[in-house]
Amino acid sequence: DAGVTQSPTHLIKTRGQHVTLRCSPISGHKSVSWYQQVLGQGPQFIFQYYEKEERGRGNFPDRFSARQFPNYSSELNVNALLLGDSALYLCASSLAGTGAYEQYFGPGTRLTVT
Amino acid sequence: QKEVEQNSGPLSVPEGAIASLNCTYSDRGSQSFFWYRQYSGKSPELIMSIYSNGDKEDGRFTAQLNKASQYVSLLIRDSQPSDSATYLCAVNEVKEYGNKLVFGAGTILRVKS
Repeated sequence: DAGVTQSPTHLIKTRGQHVTLRCSPISGHKSVSWYQQVLGQGPQFIFQYYEKEERGRGNFPDRFSARQFPNYSSELNVNALLLGDSALYLCASSLAGTGAYEQYFGPGTRLTVT
Repeated sequence: QKEVEQNSGPLSVPEGAIASLNCTYSDRGSQSFFWYRQYSGKSPELIMSIYSNGDKEDGRFTAQLNKASQYVSLLIRDSQPSDSATYLCAVNEVKEYGNKLVFGAGTILRVKS
């Protein structure tokens, strides 16, 4: 079975632009979470979606938004990009939205803002 | 105070030795704990999960959990150069409607042949 997939793999944007990142979870998984990882740090939680509903939001500005589609895939949108948004953006899928379910990460999207 | 703390390392061990990685967490209500391995330039890969006090073994890996001390550890036996990576400790923070993983900054492990 295919694991979590993300697109694009790499992205270069200019300050002020907008970006959309995409994620498809493992087949049968209904929850998708987004994380941001900057160099030298562990991933930081941005959003969790389960059954198309937002179930959690991390400490990120409103420039960050996301949604989940009926097929459980998800998009992360970032508006008005700042240099500090340069990071590895990770999508993780799990079976359900709550409880002790393991989360599996996709390969990530490396975003560079210049 | 950081929610999940790890020694950043690097931790250097010779090939064939036991590598011991440690993690402490602050949320006493946490029930699920995970170890991820991350190679340079790659995404985190889940290698162990542990939910109850005691030891859990999987091949060369053993995870240890002590909830009273709020302490999680990962032992890697017969360490190989291919084990050289950053090891991330993650604690599942469960809320009423969802959950999230809270990560430590990771410990860099170097296995020397």
